[in-house]
Parts: sequence; C-alpha cells; structure tokens
Amino acid sequence: EVLMRQSPATLSVSPGEKVTLSCRASQSISSALAWYQQKPGQAPRLLMYGASARAAGISERFSGSGSGTEFTLTITSLQSDDLAIYYCQQYNSWPRTFGQGTKVEIK
Amino acid sequence: QVQLVESGETVVQPGGSLRLSCRASGFIFSRYGMHWVRQTPGKGLEWIALISFDISDKYYADSVKGRFTISRDNSMNTLYLEMSGLRPEDTAIYYCARALTPRSYMDVWGKGTTVTVSS
Repeated sequence: EVLMRQSPATLSVSPGEKVTLSCRASQSISSALAWYQQKPGQAPRLLMYGASARAAGISERFSGSGSGTEFTLTITSLQSDDLAIYYCQQYNSWPRTFGQGTKVEIK
Repeated sequence: QVQLVESGETVVQPGGSLRLSCRASGFIFSRYGMHWVRQTPGKGLEWIALISFDISDKYYADSVKGRFTISRDNSMNTLYLEMSGLRPEDTAIYYCARALTPRSYMDVWGKGTTVTVSS
C-alpha cells in the first residue's frame, strides 16, 4: 500500500498570501496524483489531477507540481473562500490512498 | 448537471447489513467507473471499492473485502454498495465518486450519506 503523507497538518494564512502544501508518497507514483478541496460540511471536490492539471472550473490561483514521490499544491493570493482541508490522493496503484489532509485556516 | 446522490442516512446494529445506493444523472453513467469512499473523523478519507463501467473489474480495500460488495445497474443509472457484518468502525460518511477509467482520478463526488453502526 502506498502511504501518502501531507504537511503541514494545519496552515494559518492571511488573505492575499501564497500557500504551499506538500504531499509525499512512500513509493513512486509517477504523476498519478490528485488534489481535492473539502470545505466545511461539503464533499471533496477535485482540484488537480495528473499532479499539475487543473480540473474544470478551478481558479488559476491553484497550481500543482511534482512527480515520483514529492508533490506540491500552491495557492497564490489566498482568499477567504479557500478555507478548507486539502487532500492528496494517489491513483497509481491499489488500494487508492489519501493523505491525512492539510487544513488551511484564514488569519 | 452532473450529479450523484447517495441514499439516505441510516443507523444499523453491529453485525447487521445495509445496501447503499448512488443515483447518477447528467452524464452517461454506463461509460464511467465508480468508486465508494468513506470518511471518518479519525481516519480521514478511505477508499473502499471501485467497479468498472462494464462491471468487468472490481477492486476492494482490505478493510472491507469479503464484507462489502460493489455493484451497479447501468439501466437504472445506479451504483450500489452491499454491506454486511457491519462493525462500529464502519461508521462514516459514505461518498460515491465518478472516474473515467479505473486508472483515473475521481472527478465528481456525491454529497455523501451517513451510516452509523451502533446498538
């Protein structure tokens, strides 16, 4: 099973600042990585796939990078609407596995 | 619009059985693979199972293998999860999610349904 580790667990950021979230896989997953955003009381929503491709309707303020075992999600100019937990997930092998999430709080 | 709607909230006793449903609309259901994913406060998001568009492939997490069965009825645009031998640790919000192929990401999620296993 591929273990996905996200850091940090929580980020407190002021509006307008840049946010960088990390995700590390326990073995290479190529670029088979997705990022999901989960706002309070809602289901997860796809943000990124293939490590760096934005899903339909996602703001250009969100970008992803990485391959192999190290991945990053960047949010430029953080907005209050970005308050959420962000999860990474690998779809390279079975079982599919998620990171434990990074909670982004607004200062 | 593309939509996935899971069946209503349920409370079931330990050892009991339950069938969840996920009704799809707004897209050609028979062309997509479908996942079940659950979420608990303690374990976060946990993938449970996938079924391919034509039912030829099914995959399960070890935690539910032998107890849960994923199935679908393409004529009814509906995905199912048969759950048996339920345990308190199966208490979670259960989401269905769409995937273009078994090897791809989950691009659309339902709102989820809560299952509580308790006596």
